[in-house]
Amino acid sequence: GGIITQTPKFLIGQEGQKLTLKCQQNFNHDTMYWYRQDSGKGLRLIYYSITENDLQKGDLSEGYDASREKKSSFSLTVTSAQKNEMAVFLCASRRDSAETLYFGSGTRLTVL
Amino acid sequence: SQWGEENLQALSIQEGEDVTMNCSYKTYTTVVQWYRQKSGKGPALIILIRSNEREKRSGRLRATLDTSSQSSSLSITGTLATDTAVYFCATDSVSGSFNKLTFGAGTRLAVCP
Repeated sequence: GGIITQTPKFLIGQEGQKLTLKCQQNFNHDTMYWYRQDSGKGLRLIYYSITENDLQKGDLSEGYDASREKKSSFSLTVTSAQKNEMAVFLCASRRDSAETLYFGSGTRLTVL
Repeated sequence: SQWGEENLQALSIQEGEDVTMNCSYKTYTTVVQWYRQKSGKGPALIILIRSNEREKRSGRLRATLDTSSQSSSLSITGTLATDTAVYFCATDSVSGSFNKLTFGAGTRLAVCP
């Protein structure tokens, strides 16, 4: 089996601050994703990457940057944190052409 | 039922009862996946049903799929307190790409002992 590790588990930032969330997977999966989960809402796709150095925008990419420098890692940057984006950010991965998505436990972002 | 920008639904039942959660999706898909998310954890796949299947069972779980109405359901029989979680349905995008999975708003299920 494998695991997806997200760091940090809790992230507190100031409004306007640039913040980076990290994700590592040891499944050797090709595709990785970042989802945002707001309280009482479903998961919305921010960015995904189908291979190292590839980036694809999701439905909610404005205000975010992403980086996939290695196959095993995928980072997400909040370019200027806003109070209305306090949420849980979930990283996930899956093998190319496979169906099942494997998730990390999330990073909870609080903006003061 | 759950989808997209709709708010998460909530259900509260007693242990031992059966429950059914519904999901209607908006675009063509070849597979519907159901995920369960327990408090403080990421979602995990619990059952998957393909477009050529009308029903799929796994232990106490039963999923159905009606491609003509673009709807799916997840039933849990004899619920346990440990079934308390948020349940999401998810579909792959209409382009047929396996790279983008779209999730419904979810159903929060509370099973009281």
